Amino acid sequence: QKEVEQDPGPLSVPEGAIVSLNCTYSNSAFQYFMWYRQYSRKGPELLMYTYSSGNKEDGRFTAQVDKSSKYISLFIRDSQPSDSATYLCAMTSRGGGGNKLTFGTGTQLKVEL
Amino acid sequence: GAVVSQHPSRVICKSGTSVKIECRSLDFQATTMFWYRQFPKQSLMLMATSNEGSKATYEQGVEKDKFLINHASLTLSTLTVTSAHPEDSSFYICSADRYSGNTIYFGEGSWLTVV
Repeated sequence: QKEVEQDPGPLSVPEGAIVSLNCTYSNSAFQYFMWYRQYSRKGPELLMYTYSSGNKEDGRFTAQVDKSSKYISLFIRDSQPSDSATYLCAMTSRGGGGNKLTFGTGTQLKVEL
Repeated sequence: GAVVSQHPSRVICKSGTSVKIECRSLDFQATTMFWYRQFPKQSLMLMATSNEGSKATYEQGVEKDKFLINHASLTLSTLTVTSAHPEDSSFYICSADRYSGNTIYFGEGSWLTVV
């Protein structure tokens, strides 16, 4: 079993839809959670960074962490064609820097006109 | 926000030659940088962890003599692919760890094609 599970998709939604992207994990030591967006042939771009359980909102993006269920989500409101990309969840157990990330496989999202 | 610059973005080299890829943190000091390899439609595969002033830590299965990593300063790490072969053709990405914030930023990636 992988430490981090993420549905690879592809996920296709109409423009304006609310998108829900999810990851589950098995290592209860993970405390720091990140979502990255990666466009084709580009490096990942940090979207959201959260610590422990709870919600964090930034514009159209909301990140949720439920440590009791070992489940994290990224919601995208009013999705746009420019949101079409691969979304990677990542997590690590320690703060203070210098820590390796454990990635999900990424979910490919396509927002259609 | 933090920016990590990677150069070159694309490089083609002949089989048997070496190629160097640079990773720079532009507005912060990075004690730790990471090097990844990514195959098409797959997630990132960590190759090595680069620590300023010390030897890199390589992941299992990564040839340290083939993928030379140098982290000479707090803003620069380099990956040198030595004696490149066509199977080394891939997308290489670096990331830099902003120590104080424990947030990790990625470079734009470098496409290596070995012919």
